[in-house]
Amino acid sequence: AQRVTQPEKLLSVFKGAPVELKCNYSYSGSPELFWYVQYSRQRLQLLLRHISRESIKGFTADLNKGETSFHLKKPFAQEEDSAMYYCALTMDTGRRALTFGSGTRLQVQP
Amino acid sequence: SAVISQKPSRDICQRGTSLTIQCQVDSQVTMMFWYRQQPGQSLTLIATANQGSEATYESGFVIDKFPISRPNLTFSTLTVSNMSPEDSSIYLCSVRDTEAFFGQGTRLTVV
Repeated sequence: AQRVTQPEKLLSVFKGAPVELKCNYSYSGSPELFWYVQYSRQRLQLLLRHISRESIKGFTADLNKGETSFHLKKPFAQEEDSAMYYCALTMDTGRRALTFGSGTRLQVQP
Repeated sequence: SAVISQKPSRDICQRGTSLTIQCQVDSQVTMMFWYRQQPGQSLTLIATANQGSEATYESGFVIDKFPISRPNLTFSTLTVSNMSPEDSSIYLCSVRDTEAFFGQGTRLTVV
């Protein structure tokens, strides 16, 4: 069965510091990986997906199939980045539901 | 994109009662998904709802406890039946095309 692991429940950094939110997955096929973000009092929304290979709000994530990782990175954290971040995957079988990691709360302090 | 309206946004219910959560999408979608997020935990898929057929439930979830309706391509309901305090969670409706879209969630507290 597929599994997504986010080892950190909480990550606290100062404004301007680099950020890396870790995500590892286990799945024998070719998954599609996502990062979702939930800001305070807002609904869950897509931050980025590995297929598009784009940078959103300064965040990037590279899929490393050898290490089965999809870590989220940003070189300089901003206070408005404070939120809950979820790594998720969907399988390549045509099934479109997502499997989520447990989430990491990012706190960016001034 | 898709806009999902979910209601109620929150409720406090007595144990032994049932609550029906509604999910309305602004476009036609084949599959709708229901997730549960227990306090301090991640989202767990309850079931996948297809229009015109019975929902497909994940391991640990059964139709008697979480009956789902899917009368058309823009609407679904999830009922949490015979509630106990362990059912206190956030319940989320979702649809997906190239990305997943979520409702704002229903925060359920069972007392």
